[in-house]
Amino acid sequence: EPEVTQTPSHQVTQMGQEVILRCVPISNHLYFYWYRQILGQKVEFLVSFYNNEISEKSEIFDDQFSVERPDGSNFTLKIRSTKLEDSAMYFCASRVSGASSQPQHFGDGTRLSIL
Amino acid sequence: QKEVEQNSGPLSVPEGAIASLNCTYSDRVSQSFFWYRQYSGKSPELIMSIYSNGDKEDGRFTAQLNKASQYVSLLIRDSQPSDSATYLCAGPPNRSARQLTFGSGTQLTVLP
Repeated sequence: EPEVTQTPSHQVTQMGQEVILRCVPISNHLYFYWYRQILGQKVEFLVSFYNNEISEKSEIFDDQFSVERPDGSNFTLKIRSTKLEDSAMYFCASRVSGASSQPQHFGDGTRLSIL
Repeated sequence: QKEVEQNSGPLSVPEGAIASLNCTYSDRVSQSFFWYRQYSGKSPELIMSIYSNGDKEDGRFTAQLNKASQYVSLLIRDSQPSDSATYLCAGPPNRSARQLTFGSGTQLTVLP
C-alpha cells in the first residue's frame, strides 16, 4: 500500500541553525500538509500546500517557516534559525483531493530536537 | 467550546470488552470526522472516517455521528491489548478548510 515517507526520522540541531525536513507524499495525491506535535500535546496544523502554493497556514507558521516542492516528488519544510520550542515531532500528510470526506494519510514523522 | 474536544480519559477496559471513545465539536467544524490511532512515539494512523449521520461499521470498529448533538464516537468491540493507544478525533475546523483540527486524544489501555 502506498505510503507517505519522511526523512530523516530524527534530526538533532543546534539552536539558531536551519533545518530541512523532507517528505515524499503518496504519488497520486494533490494536497500536502505539515503538522507538528510537541511532546505530550495535541497534533497541530502548520500549513497546507496545493498546486505549488500555500493554501492555508496557521499562526504557528510564521516567517521562520517555509515549504517547497522542489521537484515532482519531494515536499519540504524549512525552519530557519531554530528555537528550543521548535523541538517536536513533525508529520507530513497527503490526501488525494480536497473533498472534506477524503482522509489525510500521515508519514512516520521526523523527531526534531533543538539543543 | 473548543473546535474538537475529547473526553480526556485515560480509559481502561478489560480484554474482550467494548471501548467507547467520544468527541464533541463546535458549530464551526465541518461535519466530516476522522478517527486516528496513535501509538506512543508514532504517527497518527487512520482508523475510520464518517460524515453521514448514524453508524458506520468496519470490522471491530463502529463510528457514530450525531449532528444534532454535535458528537462523534468510536466503539471498539472485542478490545485487544494491541488496541492500547491514544485515539484522536479530527475534523476540518470549518466548512471551507482543507486541514484537520485534532482533539487532545483519549488514551486507551486494554488490560489482558
